[in-house]
Amino acid sequence: EAQVTQNPRYLITVTGKKLTVTCSQNMNHEYMSWYRQDPGLGLRQIYYSMNVEVTDKGDVPEGYKVSRKEKRNFPLILESPSPNQTSLYFCASSPGTGRTHNEQFFGPGTRLTVL
Amino acid sequence: AQSVSQHNHHVILSEAASLELGCNYSYGGTVNLFWYVQYPGQHLQLLLKYFSGDPLVKGIKGFEAEFIKSKFSFNLRKPSVQWSDTAEYFCAVNAGLGGGSNYKLTFGKGTLLTVNP
Repeated sequence: EAQVTQNPRYLITVTGKKLTVTCSQNMNHEYMSWYRQDPGLGLRQIYYSMNVEVTDKGDVPEGYKVSRKEKRNFPLILESPSPNQTSLYFCASSPGTGRTHNEQFFGPGTRLTVL
Repeated sequence: AQSVSQHNHHVILSEAASLELGCNYSYGGTVNLFWYVQYPGQHLQLLLKYFSGDPLVKGIKGFEAEFIKSKFSFNLRKPSVQWSDTAEYFCAVNAGLGGGSNYKLTFGKGTLLTVNP
């Protein structure tokens, strides 16, 4: 089944404790992206990747890192989480290849709470 | 920078009522437009999309949307809603740029639809 998977689905942590949220897609998509969803703000892009080893900042990159060593994986890293990073995080992927009207497929979300 | 406005934060309807959710975007160039739905506790799913051609697009579950370029709008409609349509609806825009660009979706803040049985 074609899908985007994220792990963990739920995470409660404490300020300053490094964490990684994994994202994997099995559709051979070039483009992957991370969004955070906050009440009343919709979804905002954190980072994106056009292909392996190609990543760039989105609208709200502060406090986050990403890497794209393999085409299928795009982990989101919080080196020193803070309470303002408490949010619902979505990973998404898209075929890319110059067709911006391609649908983005979203993962199930990771609900992160930073105490 | 592109932005998306959804006019209604929360819409409450009874079953069989007609639905129209407003969406306006600000971007002067070619755009691709999407409506996503998020059912309670679930991830976003694509309802429909527009990138060219007929400005009236039909999506899944009886939804449709009309692109009106002169009004920078892409309103979502359904003639008769059901209880199962209770969800949050997001309008999203992607600037119609070519390869090598960010395929970022800029989302509106969402409209929560509650359908009472």
